[in-house]
Amino acid sequence: AQSVTQLDSQVPVFEEAPVELRCNYSSSVSVYLFWYVQYPNQGLQLLLKYLSGSTLVKGINGFEAEFNKSQTSFHLRKPSVHISDTAEYFCAVNPNDYKLSFGAGTTVTVRA
Amino acid sequence: DTAVSQTPKYLVTQMGNDKSIKCEQNLGHDTMYWYKQDSKKFLKIMFSYNNKELIINETVPNRFSPKSPDKAHLNLHINSLELGDSAVYFCASSQEGSYGYTFGSGTRLTVV
Repeated sequence: AQSVTQLDSQVPVFEEAPVELRCNYSSSVSVYLFWYVQYPNQGLQLLLKYLSGSTLVKGINGFEAEFNKSQTSFHLRKPSVHISDTAEYFCAVNPNDYKLSFGAGTTVTVRA
Repeated sequence: DTAVSQTPKYLVTQMGNDKSIKCEQNLGHDTMYWYKQDSKKFLKIMFSYNNKELIINETVPNRFSPKSPDKAHLNLHINSLELGDSAVYFCASSQEGSYGYTFGSGTRLTVV
């Protein structure tokens, strides 16, 4: 079985400051890892994904994540946030094509 | 063109009623899903269909019945609605082997 733990439920951050959202996973098999963003009252949008290859993955809107197999982590980072980055962020794991399992989400609130 | 579209966007109904939510994707994907997002924003898979065949049924009550008339459509019918069914329901699709899901904008169901 596989599961995803997002270590921070809420992250307040000032505009132009860096942000890191932590995600740990547990799985007995190789997995594929994802970060999704949900803006208020909207659906989920894919930020980035790790399938294989380079452990540093770059996504949209200036986000990047690093896959660390030894620590079973896939933390998301952005060096400088904007007000528009205020949203819910979900880490997800997909061991096969038919089931994407999500973490509980991290609420990011960017303040001026 | 919307890639994954759901209708209706909002649905308010009384307990005991039967309702349906429709989903259509124009991406040519072969797998479609229903996810439920509860009031705490937790996302849980309900069903997945591959080429019109049910692949995953995550212990969802029998009152929920998905129907996939073709690869591009996956509808969700709910009988005898209960207060606990109030949630946001998301439809998604993916192409086998791509490991990327595209989500619809959600249907907010409120049972009163």
